[in-house]
Amino acid sequence: GAVVSQHPSRVICKSGTSVKIECRSLDFQATTMFWYRQFPKQSLMLMATSNEGSKATYEQGVEKDKFLINHASLTLSTLTVTSAHPEDSSFYICSARPRAGGPHDTDTQYFGPGTRLTVL
Amino acid sequence: QKEVEQDPGPLSVPEGAIVSLNCTYSNSAFQYFMWYRQYSRKGPELLMYTYSSGNKEDGRFTAQVDKSSKYISLFIRDSQPSDSATYLCAMKRTSYDKVIFGPGTSLSVIP
Repeated sequence: GAVVSQHPSRVICKSGTSVKIECRSLDFQATTMFWYRQFPKQSLMLMATSNEGSKATYEQGVEKDKFLINHASLTLSTLTVTSAHPEDSSFYICSARPRAGGPHDTDTQYFGPGTRLTVL
Repeated sequence: QKEVEQDPGPLSVPEGAIVSLNCTYSNSAFQYFMWYRQYSRKGPELLMYTYSSGNKEDGRFTAQVDKSSKYISLFIRDSQPSDSATYLCAMKRTSYDKVIFGPGTSLSVIP
């Protein structure tokens, strides 16, 4: 099946620092990648949608200057949490939708394993 | 009213039982329906994907969609302890639309 990786899997940082999380589609090209946030025992909340080569579209209530998203290639998207604070501590998950013409279904999203961010 | 509702559980069943997981939704425009399984501290894994109403079977899993009732179900036959996880229903209006997730149901299968 389609494989999506995230790095790092876990990060602990001090308040005020910035943290970058990478999301890679390993065996397919992804025209669209999605970033989600998940609090304990809650569902996934979509933060933003990014298309390769264009600016990300952020959901209502998500600060685009705080959560910087870059989708520089068809296999890589990054989420940078700038000036992180304890309330940003959460589980961040990316997903990728395959590009048409590849081996995987373009109707579905494939999820990464998630990154647990803890801000002290 | 939330767009997608799901009983959060927790649901606890003995090994070998048939499990029924359900979601209701309010937006009649949803046409694509999915079930994801999420183990603790992991990303969601796609289990079933259906378009419009009807049934779909894959091994021990059966997904049902009743658009007239705005109700979807996932059945797990011969449940195993390894099925213990949170099950998220998800849906979208069009192929390229964003996915809306339910809150998830926590399932424990007791050996």
